Amino acid sequence: DAGITQSPRHKVTETGTPVTLRCHQTENHRYMYWYRQDPGHGLRLIHYSYGVKDTDKGEVSDGYSVSRSKTEDFLLTLESATSSQTSVYFCAISLDRGEQYFGPGTRLTVT
Amino acid sequence: GQQVMQIPQYQHVQEGEDFTTYCNSSTTLSNIQWYKQRPGGHPVFLIQLVKSGEVKKQKRLTFQFGEAKKNSSLHITATQTTDVGTYFCAGRMDNFNKFYFGSGTKLNVKP
Repeated sequence: DAGITQSPRHKVTETGTPVTLRCHQTENHRYMYWYRQDPGHGLRLIHYSYGVKDTDKGEVSDGYSVSRSKTEDFLLTLESATSSQTSVYFCAISLDRGEQYFGPGTRLTVT
Repeated sequence: GQQVMQIPQYQHVQEGEDFTTYCNSSTTLSNIQWYKQRPGGHPVFLIQLVKSGEVKKQKRLTFQFGEAKKNSSLHITATQTTDVGTYFCAGRMDNFNKFYFGSGTKLNVKP
């Protein structure tokens, strides 16, 4: 497996609180992605990055922000968590817009 | 709206039977990827197709990319219990960095 980790792996938080998820890679890949996975929807892209400080929105970016200050780290922040953001979040990396390597996922529950 | 449609949503087969999942896009794709996700796991890259009409094989798996580059299929011959999981396609449009995932086909194989 590619060197990609996510933290935390599980989190329970209350509605209205900010939450930050971290994706860390040791592969020096240029592209990093945040997806959420919900039953019946497959994987939906939230935000992605194509370099340090270079990010763009995906399909479901409302309520989420990202930052990438170093090649190896891509942070996803839920500014004010809502129950609709309860999901499994996957980070992925790719070298050149090709094959994507996924992290183990973070299961987030917003109560 | 969803850019890539995938059917069927579920497929239950007897071990030894064949299985096919289909993906369709409303727009021309630059390339398409296929992933497999085991229960409780993360998506794992299987293959990428780039050329119009391309066919690739991996042992019992056959992948096709349509002539118009708007559809793709994954066919498994003589399924085994190790094939259990959810299969996703992911398409990328020209000049975009992002991929659109289908909603997945969940395959269950009865021994």
